Amino acid sequence: AQTVTQSQPEMSVQEAETVTLSCTYDTSESNYYLFWYKQPPSRQMILVIRQEAYKQQNATENRFSVNFQKAAKSFSLKISDSQLGDTAMYFCAFMDQTGANNLFFGTGTRLTVIP
Amino acid sequence: DTEVTQTPKHLVMGMTNKKSLKCEQHMGHRAMYWYKQKAKKPPELMFVYSYEKLSINESVPSRFSPECPNSSLLNLHLHALQPEDSALYLCASSQEKGRMTDTQYFGPGTRLTVL
Repeated sequence: AQTVTQSQPEMSVQEAETVTLSCTYDTSESNYYLFWYKQPPSRQMILVIRQEAYKQQNATENRFSVNFQKAAKSFSLKISDSQLGDTAMYFCAFMDQTGANNLFFGTGTRLTVIP
Repeated sequence: DTEVTQTPKHLVMGMTNKKSLKCEQHMGHRAMYWYKQKAKKPPELMFVYSYEKLSINESVPSRFSPECPNSSLLNLHLHALQPEDSALYLCASSQEKGRMTDTQYFGPGTRLTVL
């Protein structure tokens, strides 16, 4: 069974600084997708970034980038130049290739950006 | 446009009531999902529809009854709920279930309170 672990329940960062959220996962599959979703107080789950396991290059979306270490089964999210609007719950998620395409979520990290 | 809409935003119901949650997407997606999210927890998958057919039911009690009238709409009919069913109910859609390239896009959710 796939498991996703986020070991940091809460984090804070000063505005304009950089913060890294950690995520590890456990799977026996060789090909899969990894995602970071953001859920602000407005509740909407918003896709931040995704990574295909077969790609060695780390995904980047503007201020958001990942450090994907396949051998270590690690998938951390780096947020650069943090903004107040980045305050949210961040969920790491794993999608398997069994055909079910189910998303397995971690328990989330609550990030607060401090002005 | 990656919009998934859900109505109502909030719903309060008694244990003997019958109500329905609605979800709509106009992205041409053929897979739609219902998730349940308790406070400070990750979303839990309830149902998956693929091409308007129910493909996954994650052992959800029969007091929750999903319906997919067409490829754009997904309903969740509620009857004889319990207070522990109070949660945020999220709808999501993706292009096609079973494709590894899929990304799920979420709606803003319906906050359900059962009295």
